[in-house]
Amino acid sequence: EAEVAQSPRYKITEKSQAVAFWCDPISGHATLYWYRQILGQGPELLVQFQDESVVDDSQLPKDRFSAERLKGVDSTLKIQPAELGDSAMYLCASSPQGIGELFFGEGSRLTVL
Amino acid sequence: GESVGLHLPTLSVQEGDNSIINCAYSNSASDYFIWYKQESGKGPQFIIDIRSNMDKRQGQRVTVLLNKTVKHLSLQIAATQPGDSAVYFCAENSDSWGKLQFGAGTQVVVTP
Repeated sequence: EAEVAQSPRYKITEKSQAVAFWCDPISGHATLYWYRQILGQGPELLVQFQDESVVDDSQLPKDRFSAERLKGVDSTLKIQPAELGDSAMYLCASSPQGIGELFFGEGSRLTVL
Repeated sequence: GESVGLHLPTLSVQEGDNSIINCAYSNSASDYFIWYKQESGKGPQFIIDIRSNMDKRQGQRVTVLLNKTVKHLSLQIAATQPGDSAVYFCAENSDSWGKLQFGAGTQVVVTP
C-alpha cells in the first residue's frame, strides 16, 4: 500500500540551529500539505502545495520557516533558526487533487532544547 | 510522560460498549467532513468521511452523523475494542483546494 514517507522521524536540536524535514508523497498526488501538531492539539496547516506552487502559506511563519516542492513531487520544510516553541510534530500529507481524504505520513517529531 | 500541552477531553468507555464522539465545527460553508484516528506517536489515519449533502454515513463499526443546522458532527463506534483507544479528530473543508481544518480532538480510552 502506498504511503507518505517522512524523515527524520525524530530530531533533537538546540535553539538557533537549522533543521529540515523531508516528505515524499504518494505517487501521483498533486497536492501536498505540511501541518504542525503541538502536543495535545489538532494539526494546523503551515503550507499547501498544488504541484510545485504554493496555494496557501498564510500560517507559515515566514521569518524562520520555508518550504519548497521544486519538481512538484517531494518537499522540504526548513526552520532557521529553531526556537523552543517550534517543538512539535511536523506532519506531511498528500491528496490526489481537490476535496477528499488527506493521506498522512508518520510525522517528524522535533524537540528544540 | 507527556505532560506538556492542553488536556484533551477524554471519553472512557468499557470494551464492548458503543462510543459517541462529538464535534462542533466552525464554518457553515464547509461541505466536506472527515474523522481521523491518531495513535500515540503516529500520523492521523482516515476513519470515515461525509459530504454536506448527506446526514449519515456508515462504515465498518463506525457511523458519522452530520447536523448542519447546529454545525455538529458525531462519530459512533460500535462494540468498542481496545484497539480503538486513540485520539479522534474531526476536520472540515471549506475551500476548493482541499485544505482540512482540524478540531481539538478527543482522547478515547477503552477499559476492559
